[in-house]
Amino acid sequence: EAQVTQNPRYLITVTGKKLTVTCSQNMNHEYMSWYRQDPGLGLRQIYYSMNVEVTDKGDVPEGYKVSRKEKRNFPLILESPSPNQTSLYFCASSAPGTSGSTDTQYFGPGTRLTVL
Amino acid sequence: AQSVAQPEDQVKVAEGNPLTVKCTYSVSGNPYLFWYVQYPNRGLQFLLKYITGDNLVKGSYGFEAEFNKSQTSFHLKKPSALVSDSALYFCAVRGNSGGYQKVTFGTGTKLQVIP
Repeated sequence: EAQVTQNPRYLITVTGKKLTVTCSQNMNHEYMSWYRQDPGLGLRQIYYSMNVEVTDKGDVPEGYKVSRKEKRNFPLILESPSPNQTSLYFCASSAPGTSGSTDTQYFGPGTRLTVL
Repeated sequence: AQSVAQPEDQVKVAEGNPLTVKCTYSVSGNPYLFWYVQYPNRGLQFLLKYITGDNLVKGSYGFEAEFNKSQTSFHLKKPSALVSDSALYFCAVRGNSGGYQKVTFGTGTKLQVIP
């Protein structure tokens, strides 16, 4: 089954304690993105990756890091989480320009993060 | 900069009635437009997209959307709403240049279908 998986689904942590949210896709997609969803603000892109070892900042990258060492994985790292990073996070993947599937994004189930 | 506006935070409709969820956009050049749906405690799911061609796009679960270039709109519609359509709906836009293009999402519209 084609899917994007994220772990953990729920996480409560404290300010300053480093954490990683994993994301993996099994569709061989080149493009992957991280979004955060906040009430009234919709989805905002944090980082994206166009392929292995190619990443770039989205709209709200401050306080986050990413890496893309393998095509299927795109972890999101919070080196020193703060309460304003409390949010719902989604990973998404897509394939570039292939017939019929251009830019259709496949989303993971989400990770609800609370930073105390 | 590209943007998407969903002017209604919430739309309520009676089951069996037609529904419309509004979306307007701003982007350089010709747009690629998308609708996604989010059910409670789930990720977003693709509903339909406009890339080129016919202005009326049909998608999953009986939904359709009409691209109107002059009004820069891409409203989502369904002739007869179901209670199971109750969810959060997001409109999104990207430009059509080659290579990777960032997708910008609207703030979402909560659809409530009343039995």
